[in-house]
Amino acid sequence: AQSVAQPEDQVNVAEGNPLTVKCTYSVSGNPYLFWYVQYPNRGLQFLLKYITGDNLVKGSYGFEAEFNKSQTSFHLKKPSALVSDSALYFCAVILAYGQNFVFGPGTRLSVLP
Amino acid sequence: DTGVSQNPRHKITKRGQNVTFRCDPISEHNRLYWYRQTLGQGPEFLTYFQNEAQLEKSRLLSDRFSAERPKGSFSTLEIQRTEQGDSAMYLCASSFTSEYEQYFGPGTRLTVT
Repeated sequence: AQSVAQPEDQVNVAEGNPLTVKCTYSVSGNPYLFWYVQYPNRGLQFLLKYITGDNLVKGSYGFEAEFNKSQTSFHLKKPSALVSDSALYFCAVILAYGQNFVFGPGTRLSVLP
Repeated sequence: DTGVSQNPRHKITKRGQNVTFRCDPISEHNRLYWYRQTLGQGPEFLTYFQNEAQLEKSRLLSDRFSAERPKGSFSTLEIQRTEQGDSAMYLCASSFTSEYEQYFGPGTRLTVT
């Protein structure tokens, strides 16, 4: 069975500092990995995806993520955090040829001014 | 705005009543998904359609739940004989067949009293 773990419920970081939101996954085949962000009273917004190719993928709003097959991880990163990055972040996985996402429980990011 | 729209945004109903939600996907997208999200959790897959065909249903989708997508355009999700445990945010998403990222609507928040 597919599963996604986000080991931190909450991440606090000072504005201007780098941020990392962690994600690990467990799937039996080749994973397709995604990050979404959810702001209050708004739907989930797509940030980036890893399907194949370069392990470092770049996405929206200056975010990037690194796929690490040996550690089964897909951590979200940003070199310099903004207060406006404060939101709920979800990692999701889908199997190749699969159809529906399996989401992690989410990590709340707070960027402090 | 040509994003995914959902109506109503909020629904309060009494236990035992039936409710119906509507989702209008991005017009070119042929896949449509329903998810349920409870407080503090990631979204959980309910069902998905390719065009008008309902291709997969989760175990979460009890026989009180039914979804349709007539003509492969908008979709409805009906919950019969609502229970307090049905209180959640119901999210709709759409995508192209050839792409894996899904685009989410703002959700319908259901409260069963």
